[in-house]
Amino acid sequence: EIVMTQSPATLSVSPGERATLSCRASQSISNKLVWYQQKPGQAPRFLIYDASTRATGIPARFSGSGSGTDFTLTISSLQSEDLAVYYCQQFDDWPLTFGGGTKVEIK
Amino acid sequence: QVQLLESGGGVVQPGGSLRLSCAASGFTFKTYGMHWVRQAPGKGLEWVAFVRKDGNLKYYTDSVKGRLTISRDNSKNMVYLQVNSLRPEDTAVYYCARCSGISWGFFETWGQGTSVTVSS
Repeated sequence: EIVMTQSPATLSVSPGERATLSCRASQSISNKLVWYQQKPGQAPRFLIYDASTRATGIPARFSGSGSGTDFTLTISSLQSEDLAVYYCQQFDDWPLTFGGGTKVEIK
Repeated sequence: QVQLLESGGGVVQPGGSLRLSCAASGFTFKTYGMHWVRQAPGKGLEWVAFVRKDGNLKYYTDSVKGRLTISRDNSKNMVYLQVNSLRPEDTAVYYCARCSGISWGFFETWGQGTSVTVSS
């Protein structure tokens, strides 16, 4: 099973500042990496696939990068509505596995 | 628009069974694979099961093999999760999710979830 590790567990960022979230895979997954956003009390929302391609309707302030084992989600200018937990997920192999999540707080 | 509506959750005793349902609308259901993903209270996301668009290929996470069965009825636009021999650690919100049109391996659209509590 591919283990996904996210860091930090919690990130506190001021509005308008940059937020950088990390995700590491226990083995190479090429670019088979997806990011989701889960706001309090809501279902997850699909943000980015293939490590760096934004899903339809996702604001340009969200960007993804990386390949192999190390990946990054960047929120270029944090908005108050970006308060959420962000999960990475690999789809290189079964079983599909998620990271433990990074909670983004507004400072 | 694309919608997924789960139902069938509830409170059940350890060892009991439930059948979760997911009603799909707003897209051509028979052309998409479907998943179930669960989330224990205060915890992260855990993929549980996948069924291919024709229903003939299924994958499960190891911790549920033999106890959970995913199925679908393309004539009714429904996907199901039969959960047997329930354990307290199965307590979670269970989400139905649709594959993307690009890959079986990620979840483009999610339902709002149905809650399962296993407790005596």
